[in-house]
Amino acid sequence: AAGVIQSPRHLIKEKRETATLKCYPIPRHDTVYWYQQGPGQDPQFLISFYEKMQSDKGSIPDRFSAQQFSDYHSELNMSSLELGDSALYFCASSLGGGGETQYFGPGTRLLVL
Amino acid sequence: AQSVTQLDSQVPVFEEAPVELRCNYSSSVSVYLFWYVQYPNQGLQLLLKYLSGSTLVKGINGFEAEFNKSQTSFHLRKPSVHISDTAEYFCAVSAAGRRALTFGSGTRLQVQP
Repeated sequence: AAGVIQSPRHLIKEKRETATLKCYPIPRHDTVYWYQQGPGQDPQFLISFYEKMQSDKGSIPDRFSAQQFSDYHSELNMSSLELGDSALYFCASSLGGGGETQYFGPGTRLLVL
Repeated sequence: AQSVTQLDSQVPVFEEAPVELRCNYSSSVSVYLFWYVQYPNQGLQLLLKYLSGSTLVKGINGFEAEFNKSQTSFHLRKPSVHISDTAEYFCAVSAAGRRALTFGSGTRLQVQP
């Protein structure tokens, strides 16, 4: 079965650079979520989209933005990168919300030097 | 807001022994409860979830969990573990009607031969 696809899988950036992470949800899933997992930490919710509209917002820094496109893929744009942004970034998708299972992608590991 | 407490950061256990991973939550509204497993360098995989109905929930890989509303707990159990169960286990909640997952800090299950 098709799973959530994230690209790139690994990314190395310098401080103050920008990065764009991409997420391709499971076909027909209408909701996309972004989570950030720091080293040894639990995943923290950043933002979600339902039918291309922002549906929920968590602890996403102002330096980050995200959107969901007409084909339902989503991109997380990160600017003015800081060392503390080094983390594993997960995308998850679901069909609807309210208890529906969120299927997670393999993650993008971002290292900021 | 919701919060999740996983009482044990690490649980060492011998192969074929039973195990219980503890999870308590707090919320002022009804919640859905989840257990996810994360193997090294991989994404999160759903083990089981409780939405409503029977308080005993069976999941994949022989795991089960029991929802206890009065104790606000959702402990994960397995009667006999295998080496391959070694992983990080996350308890998570989402408020009914919302979409974001709030994770606990994780429990590292270490199965020893």
